[in-house]
Amino acid sequence: DIVMTQSPDSLAVSLGERATINCKSSQTVLYSSSKKNYLAWYQHKPGQPPKLLMYWASTRESGVPDRFSGSGSGTDFTLTISSLQAEDVAVYYCQQYYTTLRTFGQGTKVEIK
Amino acid sequence: EVQLMESGGGLVQPGGSLRLSCAVSGFTFSSYALSWVRHSPKKGLEWVSRITDSSSSTYYADSVKGRFTISRDSSKNTLYLQMNSLRVEDTAVYYCAKESVAVMGYFDYWGQGTLVTVSS
Repeated sequence: DIVMTQSPDSLAVSLGERATINCKSSQTVLYSSSKKNYLAWYQHKPGQPPKLLMYWASTRESGVPDRFSGSGSGTDFTLTISSLQAEDVAVYYCQQYYTTLRTFGQGTKVEIK
Repeated sequence: EVQLMESGGGLVQPGGSLRLSCAVSGFTFSSYALSWVRHSPKKGLEWVSRITDSSSSTYYADSVKGRFTISRDSSKNTLYLQMNSLRVEDTAVYYCAKESVAVMGYFDYWGQGTLVTVSS
C-alpha cells in the first residue's frame, strides 16, 4: 500500500496569513503515460462530509476559492491557503488514487492563531 | 443533482453484524466506481472498500478484509457494505463516495454519513 504522510499534524495561522500543508507519498503517484499525479486534497469540517478541494494535485474543484492552490509532483505535494479565512478552519487530507487500494494522509488540523 | 444517502448505522455489540446502504441518484449508477470511507477522531479518514462500475472487482483495506463485503445493486441504485465480526475499532462515521470516473478516480461526491458504534 502507498503510505501518505502529512506535515505538520496541526498548525495555527493568523487570519489573512498563509497556511502550507505538506504531503509525502511512499511511492510515486505520477502516472508516466498520462503525466498526471493521482493526488487529491479534501477539507473536512465537523458534522459534514469531506469536500473535494483539488485533484490531479493542482486542479481546483469548481466553486473552490482561488486562495486554495496545490502543487508538487511524484512523491511530494503541497496545499497552500494563501490568505486564511475563518471558514477555512478544518482538517485537511491528501489522498492518492494511483492504486486500487486508496489511502489518505493522517490529516492536518488548521486553526486560527 | 448528484445525491448519496447512507443508512443502516447504529449500535452493535462486538462480534455483531450490520449492513449499510447507500442510495444514489443524479448520475448513471453503473458507470462509476464507488467506495466506503470511514472517519473516526482517532484515525481520521480511512478508505474501507471499493467496487468497480461493473461490480467485476472489489477491494478492501487490510483492516476489514475477510470481515466486510461490498456490493451494489443497479436495479435499486444502491451500494451496500455488509459488516461482520465487528470490533470496537470499527466505530466510525461511514461515508459512501462516488469516484469521478469509472477507473482510477478521485472522490467527487460524498454522502452525509451514518454512524456505526461498536460497544458492549
